[in-house]
Amino acid sequence: DAGVTQSPTHLIKTRGQQVTLRCSPISGHKSVSWYQQVLGQGPQFIFQYYEKEERGRGNFPDRFSARQFPNYSSELNVNALLLGDSALYLCASSPGRGLLQSPLHFGNGTRLTVT
Amino acid sequence: AQTVTQSQPEMSVQEAETVTLSCTYDTSESDYYLFWYKQPPSRQMILVIRQEAYKQQNATENRFSVNFQKAAKSFSLKISDSQLGDAAMYFCASGGATNKLIFGTGTLLAVQP
Repeated sequence: DAGVTQSPTHLIKTRGQQVTLRCSPISGHKSVSWYQQVLGQGPQFIFQYYEKEERGRGNFPDRFSARQFPNYSSELNVNALLLGDSALYLCASSPGRGLLQSPLHFGNGTRLTVT
Repeated sequence: AQTVTQSQPEMSVQEAETVTLSCTYDTSESDYYLFWYKQPPSRQMILVIRQEAYKQQNATENRFSVNFQKAAKSFSLKISDSQLGDAAMYFCASGGATNKLIFGTGTLLAVQP
């Protein structure tokens, strides 16, 4: 079975631009979560979507938004990019809504560089 | 607020030896899980082992085991018979009813041949 797939793998953008990152969960997984990992730090929670509804949001500005589609794939959008948005963006999927049911399965991430 | 602290930025171990990575946490959740994830240069976060907080028995997965001290809020990872493929960044994480994981800052493990 295919794991969590993310696209693109690398991306270079200029300050002020907008970016869209994509994630396809493992087949049968209904929950998708997004994390931001700045170099040298642990991942930070951005969003969780379950059954196409937002179920959790981390401490990120409104420039960050996401959505989940009927096939459970997801997009993360970041507007008005700042240099500080440069990071590895990780997508994770799981069958259920919470960790108590099943652990998260992560993709390989999208490396975003803002210049 | 939930926090996870890893006080060892880097560790080194000889091949075939045993190493222990430390982690302390704080959480307001009554029911929670603790995790160790491995992140090799390929960037993918790979689940190594998980511990349910209500279980007193320490989790074990082959060469990997944990020492879970709930009262002390401590959750260390022991890697036995270390292999070159174990070299990676290791993250400790905690989470509760939602999919929100709180990660530590990581410990970079080097395995010397």
